[in-house]
Amino acid sequence: KNQVEQSPQSLIILEGKNCTLQCNYTVSPFSNLRWYKQDTGRGPVSLTIMTFSENTKSNGRYTATLDADTKQSSLHITASQLSDSASYICVVSRNTDKLIFGTGTRLQVFP
Amino acid sequence: DSGVTQTPKHLITATGQRVTLRCSPRSGDLSVYWYQQSLDQGLQFLIHYYNGEERAKGNILERFSAQQFPDLHSELNLSSLELGDSALYFCASSVATYTGELFFGEGSRLTVL
Repeated sequence: KNQVEQSPQSLIILEGKNCTLQCNYTVSPFSNLRWYKQDTGRGPVSLTIMTFSENTKSNGRYTATLDADTKQSSLHITASQLSDSASYICVVSRNTDKLIFGTGTRLQVFP
Repeated sequence: DSGVTQTPKHLITATGQRVTLRCSPRSGDLSVYWYQQSLDQGLQFLIHYYNGEERAKGNILERFSAQQFPDLHSELNLSSLELGDSALYFCASSVATYTGELFFGEGSRLTVL
């Protein structure tokens, strides 16, 4: 069954700290993996897209990794800011016919 | 600004009523996707259109329907509304299909009383 599971469900960190969010998937055949940031009540915004051959991709303080062998991805946030408080959604594209969404990790950054 | 426009931003209506949500994709994007997000839930895929044709259906209720017009804008029609239909409805667009970048609108918040 094609599934995307994210952990943890929620996370609280202090401003300035780093954190890592996890995404495990069982989607096959795999096309690409995306990370989105969704502020409360707003539309998701793309952070990264990675294909099978890409291991790491960065977007500012956000760095995504992909291990296609173990079907795992992580999103690392460096030096967190209050504006990083949001839900982070992992989405896997199954070949060319479907996008499978994870349920997201809710991150709260406190001063 | 993603370039995807959704109207209305907010809508309050009563049970049993019918509403239409509208989405204008980014210029040049042929694909339009609709998603439903209930309070504190993940995004649920409803339906995908590509260049005017329905490409895929997700968990879309029979009371819901959609279409994509020749100018590529799309409408999502929700009828016989129930309290449980209260949610954020997002539209997203992309140039092609599932391999490309997806751009989301800001959503239409539907409240059914």
